[in-house]
Amino acid sequence: KQEVTQIPAALSVPEGENLVLNCSFTDSAIYNLQWFRQDPGKGLTSLLLIQSSQREQTSGRLNASLDKSSGRSTLYIAASQPGDSATYLCAVESGGSNYKLTFGKGTLLTVNP
Amino acid sequence: ETGVTQTPRHLVMGMTNKKSLKCEQHLGHNAMYWYKQSAKKPLELMFVYSLEERVENNSVPSRFSPECPNSSHLFLHLHTLQPEDSALYLCASSQVSMDRVARETQYFGPGTRLLVL
Repeated sequence: KQEVTQIPAALSVPEGENLVLNCSFTDSAIYNLQWFRQDPGKGLTSLLLIQSSQREQTSGRLNASLDKSSGRSTLYIAASQPGDSATYLCAVESGGSNYKLTFGKGTLLTVNP
Repeated sequence: ETGVTQTPRHLVMGMTNKKSLKCEQHLGHNAMYWYKQSAKKPLELMFVYSLEERVENNSVPSRFSPECPNSSHLFLHLHTLQPEDSALYLCASSQVSMDRVARETQYFGPGTRLLVL
């Protein structure tokens, strides 16, 4: 059974700092890994999707890496801003379970002005 | 309307009530999903419909009954719920490929915040 763990559970940083969020998964047989953002009481917004054959994806100040063999991914946020404050969720789509995403519990990020 | 919409946004119901949650996607996708998000727990997949057929049911209690009349609409019918069913219920949609070579992300609605008294 696939399990996804995110560390840390919460992170508070001053504005402008670069930061890294971590995600690990137990079964390396994945189709892809995705990072989502969730604002309080809202739905999820997709940030980056990394296919199993890829090593990283970039979008603006965000960079996500994937090391499938070790079961790890990182989300790097450069020059953080107060508007980045949200919960960041990591999810993997595993082989053998059609279309099923397994989510971590998320990292609550607070960027202080 | 664009993206994925859900109604109602908030719902309070008693344990003996019957209610339905509605989801509509305007993205032309061929798969739709129901998720449950409880406090302190990871998002849990409840149901998946691909091409209007249910492809996965993760042993969800029978008091939750999904319905997918077409590729754009998804319902979750609720009856005799328990207080522990209080949660944020999220709907999502995606385009799934038969060869699974490239997969796109799932697009989520804003959710329905459900409180069962």
